[in-house]
Amino acid sequence: AQSVSQHNHHVILSEAASLELGCNYSYGGTVNLFWYVQYPGQHLQLLLKYFSGDPLVKGIKGFEAEFIKSKFSFNLRKPSVQWSDTAEYFCAVKQGNTGKLIFGQGTTLQVKP
Amino acid sequence: ETGVTQSPTHLIKTRGQQVTLRCSSQSGHNTVSWYQQALGQGPQFIFQYYREEENGRGNFPPRFSGLQFPNYSSELNVNALELDDSALYLCASSWTGLAGEFEQYFGPGTRLTVT
Repeated sequence: AQSVSQHNHHVILSEAASLELGCNYSYGGTVNLFWYVQYPGQHLQLLLKYFSGDPLVKGIKGFEAEFIKSKFSFNLRKPSVQWSDTAEYFCAVKQGNTGKLIFGQGTTLQVKP
Repeated sequence: ETGVTQSPTHLIKTRGQQVTLRCSSQSGHNTVSWYQQALGQGPQFIFQYYREEENGRGNFPPRFSGLQFPNYSSELNVNALELDDSALYLCASSWTGLAGEFEQYFGPGTRLTVT
């Protein structure tokens, strides 16, 4: 069965530190890739997406992610985190033309001021 | 642009009862997907509706059913509630066209507690 693995369950950083959250998936065909963020008390919001083309995609709030097909990975990065980035981050994969999004377990990011 | 809305916000039901959750899709969207999110987990896909028909289903029993209406809003029905059905139920809407489905946008969810 297809699965999505997020390696870090809980990450604690100080402001201005760099961030990289890992995401690996198990499906070998055509995929669409997403990162969603859930800020405290808010609903899931789309951070960035990859459908095709340039494997380095840029999202909102200075986030970016790189699709590496050979490694089945779609890691999320930000050069310098802010306290307001404290949230839960979910990687999700959609295979081919199905409507099914498969989510990872999520990573809780805590940024200390 | 109106986002995805869900009702009710919270709901408490007794084991064995039935529940209906509602979702209004974002304006301009024609596809609705439903997810179940248990505490500390990522959302799990229940099913998707497109053109008022089920368009894909996850690993959920038949007592989970749904509808999509001509205005693209949707309902999720769960019969014979079990304690394990306690979760946050998320609705997501998207646009599906000739090129396929675009990204899904999520609503705030309905928190269901089964006692």
